[in-house]
Amino acid sequence: DAGVIQSPRHEVTEMGQEVTLRCKPISGHNSLFWYRQTMMRGLELLIYFNNNVPIDDSGMPEDRFSAKMPNASFSTLKIQPSEPRDSAVYFCASSFKSAEKLFFGSGTQLSVL
Amino acid sequence: AQSVTQPDIHITVSEGASLELRCNYSYGATPYLFWYVQSPGQGLQLLLKYFSGDTLVQGIKGFEAEFKRSQSSFNLRKPSVHWSDAAEYFCAVGGGGADGLTFGKGTHLIIQP
Repeated sequence: DAGVIQSPRHEVTEMGQEVTLRCKPISGHNSLFWYRQTMMRGLELLIYFNNNVPIDDSGMPEDRFSAKMPNASFSTLKIQPSEPRDSAVYFCASSFKSAEKLFFGSGTQLSVL
Repeated sequence: AQSVTQPDIHITVSEGASLELRCNYSYGATPYLFWYVQSPGQGLQLLLKYFSGDTLVQGIKGFEAEFKRSQSSFNLRKPSVHWSDAAEYFCAVGGGGADGLTFGKGTHLIIQP
C-alpha cells in the first residue's frame, strides 16, 4: 500500500487566493482526519470524517475553511480566501477503526504570502 | 477537555546514552495513549500505543513507554539512543472512539556524537 497520499507537497500562494489540499487515504480505512501543524500551536485537529461523514468540525478555525469527502478514497481541505496566518503544514491521516492507529501523510507545506 | 503536556521542548542526549521523554495527560475516562515520531519533512509514525493491560508497552525501534495512572503520565524511554533517533516526538491521547487524537506540542530530540 502506498500509504496516505497528500498533494501538493508544497503550495505557495498569495493572500486572497483559494487553496485546495488533497488527500487519498489508505484503502479500507474508514476514518479520515485533517490536522494543522504550526510552531506556536503544535498539531491541531481541524476535522474528521467517519465513513465519509463529517463527525466533528469544531477545530476548523473559520468559515474560510471547508472540507469534503465525496467518497471513501478522496478528501479535500479548502481555504477561501487564504490569509498569511494560514501558513502551516497540513496533515491528513486515516485509520481503520477510528483513532486506534493513525497513518499520516507527508503533509502539505502551505505558505500564504 | 482532554489535553497533553510535554514539558520539554528540546532534549539533548549523547549517542549511546539513555533517554526519557515526559508526557502528562488530562482525560476524563480511560485514555488511549500514543507516542509518534516525526522526522524532518515527514508525517508522523506511530512508535507505540497503550489501550489496556500491561502498563509497560514495547514499541518499534527499541522504544518503550510506561503508563502510570496515578501520575497521569506516559513517559517514553529508550536504553541507548542512536543518531538516527534525532527527531520530533509527540505524545497523544484519545478515547479510542470515532474521534481524533489530541497531541502534545512535541519534544525535539537532539543527539550529540
